[in-house]
Amino acid sequence: GAVVSQHPSRVICKSGTSVKIECRSLDFQATTMFWYRQFPKQSLMLMATSNEGSKATYEQGVEKDKFLINHASLTLSTLTVTSAHPEDSSFYICSARDPLTTNEKLFFGSGTQLSVL
Amino acid sequence: AQSVTQLDSQVPVFEEAPVELRCNYSSSVSVYLFWYVQYPNQGLQLLLKYLSGSTLVKGINGFEAEFNKSQTSFHLRKPSVHISDTAEYFCAALSYNQGGKLIFGQGTELSVKP
Repeated sequence: GAVVSQHPSRVICKSGTSVKIECRSLDFQATTMFWYRQFPKQSLMLMATSNEGSKATYEQGVEKDKFLINHASLTLSTLTVTSAHPEDSSFYICSARDPLTTNEKLFFGSGTQLSVL
Repeated sequence: AQSVTQLDSQVPVFEEAPVELRCNYSSSVSVYLFWYVQYPNQGLQLLLKYLSGSTLVKGINGFEAEFNKSQTSFHLRKPSVHISDTAEYFCAALSYNQGGKLIFGQGTELSVKP
């Protein structure tokens, strides 16, 4: 089946640095990818929808300049947390949709645990 | 706006007992419904989904769910749980016209005790 690879699985960084998270679709071309954020013991909150070749669509309350999304190819979307602070510490998960299938087929990455010191 | 409500944040249960995790959705349009499982520090794994047709949906690991349109519910059930079922479970809905956005419920922590 289709696989979505997310890297790194865990990252620890100092406050003020930037962190890039990659989301790759391994055996299909994903025109659309989604980025979610999950705080401990809470649900997944959609942050943004990433469209290949165009600007991402951010959900209300998500800072575009803080969370930079790039979807430059059909198999790769990146989320960069700029000038990270401890409150950005969270679990980030991406998902991708295979455009050759119907809307309900979403594949999830394994997530990235970000810890900002 | 689309919303999903999971009525129980935590469900403790003994091994081999039956379990039901409740989920209600609100929408003015037809939806696709999903149940996902998340093990600690991992991504999501699809358990089952309802798209159309039979209202009783069977998934992996012995789970099943029943779509009830009149009650706007999609409760997850398993007749006999195992220790390995201990995890966080998320109900999610996707509207036909939402372009692939999944709206998640708050999650239910299932804790299976020996």
